[in-house]
Amino acid sequence: DAGVIQSPRHEVTEMGQEVTLRCKPISGHDYLFWYRQTMMRGLELLIYFNNNVPIDDSGMPEDRFSAKMPNASFSTLKIQPSEPRDSAVYFCASSLGQGIAQPQHFGDGTRLSIL
Amino acid sequence: GDSVTQMEGPVTLSEEAFLTINCTYTATGYPSLFWYVQYPGEGLQLLLKATKADDKGSNKGFEATYRKETTSFHLEKGSVQVSDSAVYFCALSGPMNGKLTFGQGTILTVHP
Repeated sequence: DAGVIQSPRHEVTEMGQEVTLRCKPISGHDYLFWYRQTMMRGLELLIYFNNNVPIDDSGMPEDRFSAKMPNASFSTLKIQPSEPRDSAVYFCASSLGQGIAQPQHFGDGTRLSIL
Repeated sequence: GDSVTQMEGPVTLSEEAFLTINCTYTATGYPSLFWYVQYPGEGLQLLLKATKADDKGSNKGFEATYRKETTSFHLEKGSVQVSDSAVYFCALSGPMNGKLTFGQGTILTVHP
């Protein structure tokens, strides 16, 4: 079975540019999570969706960040305008149900570098 | 709020040594507890989990027991291999939702 698929794997762009990260969750999973990982702050939950609806976006750092899930098989995380401090690895994860014991399945991440 | 504290790393061991990575947590109610592993260049993978007090999760020779009295979930392996070199994350899932709270991660390096 295909796991969570993220694209691109690597992105290098200049400050001020718009960046769009993409995620395809595991088919049938109804929860989707976006995380950011940095050395300084570790793993941070940015936002999560249930059945394509955003449930909690309290982790989104500021208005420059936005996320959408137009259908059950696709989500985007957009940064506009990008800044060097946004450089990090961004992970998407999905899970089946919200039961407290349901594991989250992670993609391989997008390594973002803002110059 | 919920929090997870892992032992400071990095941890460096020789092959076949015994491994312990400490994890303690603070949470309201009765969370589920997880260990995830991240290999270089990859995303996190679930290693094991425990959903209630005194449960023992195990996988690939790794074990961890949910200790409510000490709010701990320490990861152990009797004999590590070079292929176990990775970053290990302890995490909890709150009783009211599926959000994971992660520890800071512990880097494990195993030498031949």
